[in-house]
Amino acid sequence: QSALTQPASVSGSPGQSITISCTGTSSDVGGYNYVSWYQQHPGKAPKLMIYDVRKRPSGVSNRFSGSKSGNTASLTISGLHAEDEADYYCGSYTNTTTWIFGGGTKLTVL
Amino acid sequence: QVQLVQSGAEVKEPGASVKVSCKASGYTFTGYSMHWVRQAPGQGLEWMGWINPNSGATNYAQKFQGRVTMTRDTSISTAYMELSRLRSDDMAVYYCAREYPYSKEFDYWGQGTLVTVSS
Repeated sequence: QSALTQPASVSGSPGQSITISCTGTSSDVGGYNYVSWYQQHPGKAPKLMIYDVRKRPSGVSNRFSGSKSGNTASLTISGLHAEDEADYYCGSYTNTTTWIFGGGTKLTVL
Repeated sequence: QVQLVQSGAEVKEPGASVKVSCKASGYTFTGYSMHWVRQAPGQGLEWMGWINPNSGATNYAQKFQGRVTMTRDTSISTAYMELSRLRSDDMAVYYCAREYPYSKEFDYWGQGTLVTVSS
């Protein structure tokens, strides 16, 4: 099973909004509302930012939001802050009771 | 508070095995499945498999079947991941991650264990 498809990089200026896409298939992203997003700073463990497509864990800023249409999920970060600069990974449950991640997107805050 | 504390870095020769531990605290160990995810240098996250600490049931990614074994010791709230027949491309940081039971995401992660494979 191939990794979910994410853009390798995105960038934005402080205060702007960016969106990261995550494309899978009907066997994963499109088939379940179990898409999650993780933020990873260099040398650190991933941190859960969004789960169940659009839900935010306690403590995560409401500047982070998620959505899904068909086989593509998206993460939007509004009002970019310098500390948002990190790698972002999407993840999805699949129809074989396994999990799959995207290849990761490097966010640069200009 | 929930904590997952992993064992320290390992250096192994090609063909050897490595066993990484993940000690859980701050919650009921048997109530949450534990997953293992690895990340090769400069690469993305790769899901390896999970274990149900209550039943011991496991499910491995097809890529690792036959080489990976996930176990647990409920008496000390610790999960283990053993990978055998190590190759150079197994060099990575290995993470344990707890699965939130009412959904399918990983809400807490260990700090990671670097496994270096080198002769």
